[in-house]
Amino acid sequence: DTGVSQDPRHKITKRGQNVTFRCDPISEHNRLYWYRQTLGQGPEFLTYFQNEAQLEKSRLLSDRFSAERPKGSFSTLEIQRTEQGDSAMYLCASSDSDVIHEQYFGPGTRLTVT
Amino acid sequence: AQSVTQLGSHVSVSEGALVLLRCNYSSSVPPYLFWYVQYPNQGLQLLLKYTSAATLVKGINGFEAEFKKSETSFHLTKPSAHMSDAAEYFCAVRYPRGANSKLTFGKGITLSVRP
Repeated sequence: DTGVSQDPRHKITKRGQNVTFRCDPISEHNRLYWYRQTLGQGPEFLTYFQNEAQLEKSRLLSDRFSAERPKGSFSTLEIQRTEQGDSAMYLCASSDSDVIHEQYFGPGTRLTVT
Repeated sequence: AQSVTQLGSHVSVSEGALVLLRCNYSSSVPPYLFWYVQYPNQGLQLLLKYTSAATLVKGINGFEAEFKKSETSFHLTKPSAHMSDAAEYFCAVRYPRGANSKLTFGKGITLSVRP
């Protein structure tokens, strides 16, 4: 069990550029979640997948955001036409059971939009 | 709708002193409850969880929390603070039934430990 991994750990981009983040969950976990955390706040839910199906999206996930999990393993989160308000830590989590639903978090990708 | 309130944004204790971090939830039925810790520039690590079993839950690093339905609370405690406990702590809830699987987090409390 190598844990949840995210790549890159840090990303600096200019406003208007597109960025893509990757999350690799714990191998046997079928559920994968994306959260966004801004400074001084707790993580806020963005979206989640069960296998390859995207089951819920938050209203925070504007049209500029898209997430995929094509084969039910790794996931990508793309932000198009980045804005300064997108600067945040993007956290990925995974879980393998809905009974207790303990989520394991990755180290996050810190995005800075200049 | 579920919500979590963590009173105060910063708690400072002396090394060896009691740690008490407060969490209150608001939901129509008792949810699953979690405490996570976050060290600088890292992801969240689960400290402990309440899942409708024992109301006093023991976690890692000497932390424990007690679920009190009458007070809608799930406060986190540790008898004796250590310098390594300095971090940010988040309380989170999840409604145990239904299709909604997301965690709802509080704003977090920063714990400082004075030598």
